[in-house]
Amino acid sequence: DIQMTQSPSTLSASVGDRVTITCRASQSVSRWLAWYQQKPGKAPKLLIYEASTLQTGVPSRFSGSGSGPEFTLTINSLQPDDFATYYCQQYNSFSFTFGPGTKVDIK
Amino acid sequence: EVQLVESGGGLVQPGGSSRLSCVGTGFTFSRYWMSWVRQAPGKGLEWVVNIKQDGSEKYYVDSVKGRFTVSRDNAKNSLFLQMNSLRAEDTALYFCARVDDYGTAVDSWGQGTQVTVSS
Repeated sequence: DIQMTQSPSTLSASVGDRVTITCRASQSVSRWLAWYQQKPGKAPKLLIYEASTLQTGVPSRFSGSGSGPEFTLTINSLQPDDFATYYCQQYNSFSFTFGPGTKVDIK
Repeated sequence: EVQLVESGGGLVQPGGSSRLSCVGTGFTFSRYWMSWVRQAPGKGLEWVVNIKQDGSEKYYVDSVKGRFTVSRDNAKNSLFLQMNSLRAEDTALYFCARVDDYGTAVDSWGQGTQVTVSS
């Protein structure tokens, strides 16, 4: 089974900061990697799929990159609405695995 | 607007069973793979199962194999999760989810239904 790791687990940042979160798979997943944002008490929201494609309606300050085992989610100019937990998720052989999450909180 | 509404959660004793349901509206339910994803209290997301459009293929996380069974009724736009031999570690908020057109990510989520396994 493919395992996912994320770093950091927690990130403290200020409004306007550029934030980068890293996700690593235990083996190559090609570009089958998605990113989600989740706020407390809410369902997750898809931000990016296929490593770098922005989901419709997601602000352009979010971007994704990477392939194979290592991926990054970047948030340019962090906004108050962006303080949340972010998860990566891989797809392989009709199955998914989520990363453990990265909480972005206010510095 | 895509909507997914789960029901059926509650308090269950260890070793007991529970059946979750999800109704999808606002889209052609039969065209999509569907998933169940769960989240234990204060923890991260855990994928549970995927089911193909016609129900002919099902893929489970190892921890629920042999205990959970997913099914669907496309005529009723409904997804189900039969959970048997429940354990304390199955306690979680269970989300019904729609898999996107490419089959590689979840593009729509329900609000979740809570399942608590406790004596």
